Amino acid sequence: DTGVSQNPRHKITKRGQNVTFRCDPISEHNRLYWYRQTLGQGPEFLTYFQNEAQLEKSRLLSDRFSAERPKGSFSTLEIQRTEQGDSAMYLCASSLAYGPQHFGDGTRLSIL
Amino acid sequence: AQSVTQLDSQVPVFEEAPVELRCNYSSSVSVYLFWYVQYPNQGLQLLLKYLSGSTLVKGINGFEAEFNKSQTSFHLRKPSVHISDTAEYFCAVIGSGSRLTFGEGTQLTVNP
Repeated sequence: DTGVSQNPRHKITKRGQNVTFRCDPISEHNRLYWYRQTLGQGPEFLTYFQNEAQLEKSRLLSDRFSAERPKGSFSTLEIQRTEQGDSAMYLCASSLAYGPQHFGDGTRLSIL
Repeated sequence: AQSVTQLDSQVPVFEEAPVELRCNYSSSVSVYLFWYVQYPNQGLQLLLKYLSGSTLVKGINGFEAEFNKSQTSFHLRKPSVHISDTAEYFCAVIGSGSRLTFGEGTQLTVNP
């Protein structure tokens, strides 16, 4: 059983650079979610897709953030002009329409 | 909107002792409730879920939780913990929509 896969596991970049993360969900899952987790906190919702449609976005998702799921399979999350406050773990999850969400191991972003 | 409060940020216990991790939620609509576990540098693993039916739900690794609607609680319990249970535990809720709302987590530390 292949779980949710996220790449890269770690990303170190300089402030002001753009970064892109990839998430491959469990193959039969039609919903895909992005969350952000800062140190010592629970994950916070960013956005979710049903198939290729982005159905909900959190107010945390500023205009520097964009997420896509072009063919309803994998998804990418891009952050433009990164800031110190973007340092966090970015978690992806997938689910069937009314099933529990299954999480990947996350991408840890560090901004120098 | 939903919110989750985990009443203890840290819970130290000795091996083979019982443990209870407390979770309270607030919501104006019916909710689904979840407990997830997170080991260092990993994503979240689903321990158990309450969707409907019996208020006592059993999960993996010997954990169970009881949904109490009148007290808006969903406390997690295990009768005898092991060293390997040391991890961060998150309570989460879904109300309207599909986003998970998490508590701030409880660090369970099992000492020999």
